[in-house]
Amino acid sequence: EAGVAQSPRYKIIEKRQSVAFWCNPISGHATLYWYQQILGQGPKLLIQFQNNGVVDDSQLPKDRFSAERLKGVDSTLKIQPAKLEDSAVYLCASSSDGAYEQYFGPGTRLTVT
Amino acid sequence: AQSVTQLDSHVSVSEGTPVLLRCNYSSSYSPSLFWYVQHPNKGLQLLLKYTSAATLVKGINGFEAEFKKSETSFHLTKPSAHMSDAAEYFCVVGPPNQGGKLIFGQGTELSVKP
Repeated sequence: EAGVAQSPRYKIIEKRQSVAFWCNPISGHATLYWYQQILGQGPKLLIQFQNNGVVDDSQLPKDRFSAERLKGVDSTLKIQPAKLEDSAVYLCASSSDGAYEQYFGPGTRLTVT
Repeated sequence: AQSVTQLDSHVSVSEGTPVLLRCNYSSSYSPSLFWYVQHPNKGLQLLLKYTSAATLVKGINGFEAEFKKSETSFHLTKPSAHMSDAAEYFCVVGPPNQGGKLIFGQGTELSVKP
């Protein structure tokens, strides 16, 4: 069974630029999550999708972050414009219909200079 | 509100000695609790989970954790550390009825000395 795929693995941008991350969950998993993991901290949930609908985006900075999951499969997370404090690893995870056991991708390490 | 506190940011043990990673939780309801492990440059992996069944939970790679309601603790243990156990470990709580949402602790970095 293929795991959660993410790309790119690394990205370096300047502040005020935009960036997008892509995630392809495990086949058949209805629930998809995006987390932000700042160095030295645990992952923090940004947004949760159930199929192509948003379940929880209470911690998503909506003035600069956006996410979509148009066909209920893969998802894109965008930051525009980026700030220095957005430097972090962005993790995507999926689960079978909101089950607690989540499967994580390798993450995208973003550096904003 | 639900939360977890990992009491040590870094633990160092020698290979072959026991491992103890401490976690306390705060929850208004019967919690679901988990331990995840993160090896360098790899994705997070579920080690074990407690969901109100047996209080002593066994996980992968010889790890286990005991749920103690009276102490609001969920400490992770392993009898004998192996070099490959060196990683970051996260204690995690899952609030009920929130679609599988997870709240992570700050993490404990485990170092294993030869």
